[in-house]
Amino acid sequence: DAGITQSPRHKVTETGTPVTLRCHQTENHRYMYWYRQDPGHGLRLIHYSYGVKDTDKGEVSDGYSVSRSKTEDFLLTLESATSSQTSVYFCAISESTGSHEQFFGPGTRLTVL
Amino acid sequence: QQQVKQSPQSLIVQKGGISIINCAYENTAFDYFPWYQQFPGKGPALLIAIRPDVSEKKEGRFTISFNKSAKQFSLHIMDSQPGDSATYFCAASIQYNFNKFYFGSGTKLNVKP
Repeated sequence: DAGITQSPRHKVTETGTPVTLRCHQTENHRYMYWYRQDPGHGLRLIHYSYGVKDTDKGEVSDGYSVSRSKTEDFLLTLESATSSQTSVYFCAISESTGSHEQFFGPGTRLTVL
Repeated sequence: QQQVKQSPQSLIVQKGGISIINCAYENTAFDYFPWYQQFPGKGPALLIAIRPDVSEKKEGRFTISFNKSAKQFSLHIMDSQPGDSATYFCAASIQYNFNKFYFGSGTKLNVKP
């Protein structure tokens, strides 16, 4: 998986609790992305980063925040998890806009009860 | 509003047959059209991609056909094999817009022996 790890791989939590998912890369790629995957919706972009401390919103950013304090780490936080955030979350990286290709991590399955 | 529409949602093909998956888009600024393959429990992986300046790209048994005027592109899998059984996603992006991907909703392909 192109030097991308996600942690945890599985998590079950309760409504209203904060949750942080971590994406770690060893490729030194500039761009990092968080997607969620739901049946019938494909993958939808939550937030992305174009450098350390540089982040922006994607299509479905409500209820999520991100941080990137180091090139290799991109954190996704659900401040107060809701059942609608039950999903599989994928992190992706891209070397630069010129190369286009995004490499995906193995995913985190999150269940909010 | 989904920027990339994909069909069919599921597809059953006999071994040796041709699998065809179609996608359509609206934004004429898109300049990169990849197809990703995803096996259960794994992250998506790039299968093949095309830019709008060519009408067809072939890699082994996989071919992308691109129709710029119709704003449509399709994936053809020739001589389909049981090992091709997976979920396929089309996507589109704009190179200089942080390479953000807009994915189709996915097609689950089942190739029967």
